[in-house]
Amino acid sequence: DAGVIQSPRHEVTEMGQEVTLRCKPISGHDYLFWYRQTMMRGLELLIYFNNNVPIDDSGMPEDRFSAKMPNASFSTLKIQPSEPRDSAVYFCASSGRVGKLFFGSGTQLSVL
Amino acid sequence: GIQVEQSPPDLILQEGANSTLRCNFSDSVNNLQWFHQNPWGQLINLFYIPSGTKQNGRLSATTVATERYSLLYISSSQTTDSGVYFCAVVVRGATNKLIFGTGTLLAVQP
Repeated sequence: DAGVIQSPRHEVTEMGQEVTLRCKPISGHDYLFWYRQTMMRGLELLIYFNNNVPIDDSGMPEDRFSAKMPNASFSTLKIQPSEPRDSAVYFCASSGRVGKLFFGSGTQLSVL
Repeated sequence: GIQVEQSPPDLILQEGANSTLRCNFSDSVNNLQWFHQNPWGQLINLFYIPSGTKQNGRLSATTVATERYSLLYISSSQTTDSGVYFCAVVVRGATNKLIFGTGTLLAVQP
């Protein structure tokens, strides 16, 4: 398996623009997670899905953030409008029922 | 919510030395995992270890769930061991929701 695949690897955008991050989980995994990593706040769980259904979105910082999982092999995290304080590394991860977590390579987001 | 504390926050070793990293957590957990984030930012799962002891090469981990801590042992450290080590836990009753500790930054010098 190719592992968890994220795109893009890097994204530079201007304040106010819409940003869409993409993730393909490991085939057969039924849990998908979005994390954000910053120096100040460490690794924060934003939202996670089970069988394509959002289970807990309590970590989503504001209404500007939204996540979808239209099918078992694809998820998006969208920020609209983006702000400089959204600059961070965004990780997608997936796990099977046992719960061992596997991460993608992350998306480095810079909002100018 | 649950508190996950890791110690030490920073550690500098000479190549070949051994080290022990600690993870304390404030509530009962179903699941505990250790990760290594390398200097390029990649997060690698080292151990899935809700209880007991596991070994993988020069690394081993022990979790004592009843006493709410886990230890990660690194023996004969190498420069490639450098990076940040995270433990992450799932609170009992919260299916697969992994909460991360603040990490231990390890630098192994040649």
